[in-house]
Amino acid sequence: GQQLNQSPQSMFIQEGEDVSMNCTSSSIFNTWLWYKQDPGEGPVLLIALYKAGELTSNGRLTAQFGITRKDSFLNISASIPSDVGIYFCAGTGANSKLTFGKGITLSVRP
Amino acid sequence: SAVISQKPSRDICQRGTSLTIQCQVDSQVTMMFWYRQQPGQSLTLIATANQGSEATYESGFVIDKFPISRPNLTFSTLTVSNMSPEDSSIYLCSVERGRVLDTQYFGPGTRLTVL
Repeated sequence: GQQLNQSPQSMFIQEGEDVSMNCTSSSIFNTWLWYKQDPGEGPVLLIALYKAGELTSNGRLTAQFGITRKDSFLNISASIPSDVGIYFCAGTGANSKLTFGKGITLSVRP
Repeated sequence: SAVISQKPSRDICQRGTSLTIQCQVDSQVTMMFWYRQQPGQSLTLIATANQGSEATYESGFVIDKFPISRPNLTFSTLTVSNMSPEDSSIYLCSVERGRVLDTQYFGPGTRLTVL
């Protein structure tokens, strides 16, 4: 089946630093989505990507849909304490169902 | 985006009982989805609920355990039946919205603990 790989499981950065997260797959995806989940909340959509090569920004966040359609990255610039949370990539592939990665827990040290 | 509410936000239940979770959306949507997120895990799709037809369940999930209703285009319920501690999870509903109908927005979730 379709799988999305996110690693590492956890990332620790200093406030003000930039951070980049990757999401890869052996299958082609037609849509890539990035979500953030805070404790006790549902995932919140950060960025949606619909076309290979597409680069989209949302404030301090930038994400790209890989040219091969098998990967995507999310960059967070100038991190702040409220960036802490779990970041999930998700994608829709040939089966038209949304598949989630395992998530990356981001910690930001003040 | 979409405004989605879920009730209850959390509950603690006894083994063998059932709980019905409600999901309300601020505008009409064709498809609603139910997910489970076990502690420390990612999201797993339980079923897709279309109005006017039976829900479509994913492998590993059955209607007897997770009956779903979809009486109209803004509302759905998921029942977790005959609960066991292994059912302790966050249950999330989502809807598709967006430029391409592949973008899902999630409700705040229902945190279920089964004793």
